[in-house]
Amino acid sequence: GNSVTQMEGPVTLSEEAFLTINCTYTATGYPSLFWYVQYPGEGLQLLLKATKADDKGSNKGFEATYRKETTSFHLEKGSVQVSDSAVYFCALRVISSGSARQLTFGSGTQLTVLP
Amino acid sequence: DTAVSQTPKYLVTQMGNDKSIKCEQNLGHDTMYWYKQDSKKFLKIMFSYNNKELIINETVPNRFSPKSPDKAHLNLHINSLELGDSAVYFCASSQDLQGYGYTFGSGTRLTVV
Repeated sequence: GNSVTQMEGPVTLSEEAFLTINCTYTATGYPSLFWYVQYPGEGLQLLLKATKADDKGSNKGFEATYRKETTSFHLEKGSVQVSDSAVYFCALRVISSGSARQLTFGSGTQLTVLP
Repeated sequence: DTAVSQTPKYLVTQMGNDKSIKCEQNLGHDTMYWYKQDSKKFLKIMFSYNNKELIINETVPNRFSPKSPDKAHLNLHINSLELGDSAVYFCASSQDLQGYGYTFGSGTRLTVV
């Protein structure tokens, strides 16, 4: 089956620190990979995605590279801001005949950035 | 011009009551979902409908019943509410195409007292 393992939180950083949130996956077939962000009191928003090996997704200074050899999709940002405080979810989805087509989520990582 | 809209945003009710949450999407997506998010932020899929047909029905109490009158709407009805039903419920929609993620609604915070 499909599964996503995310680094456990919470993660607390000072402003301008470097961020890495680890994500690894197992999947049958060829997954697309996603990072979603949930700000306090809001729904989930797509942050970035990658649809094939070696693709790099990027948005708002965040980046993640689809690494098939290590089955990973780690989220990075060079300099975090207080406004980045949120819960981050790694997810995968496989669209192929016979597979469950829903998005499979990791458990989420709470990030708090202190001024 | 909200893409996926849920109502109500907040719902406080007593144990034993019956309540409904409505969801509508204007994206033309074929598939809609209900997720439950617990207090630890863990997301659990409950149901999925594709073109009004139920395709995912995870292990949830049969007090929960989804209804999809058309492919733009997926409502969630809950009978005999219990304290453990308190959570945030998210509706989402998607196309069944490689590379597509979901578009989520803003959630309904249900509190059972």
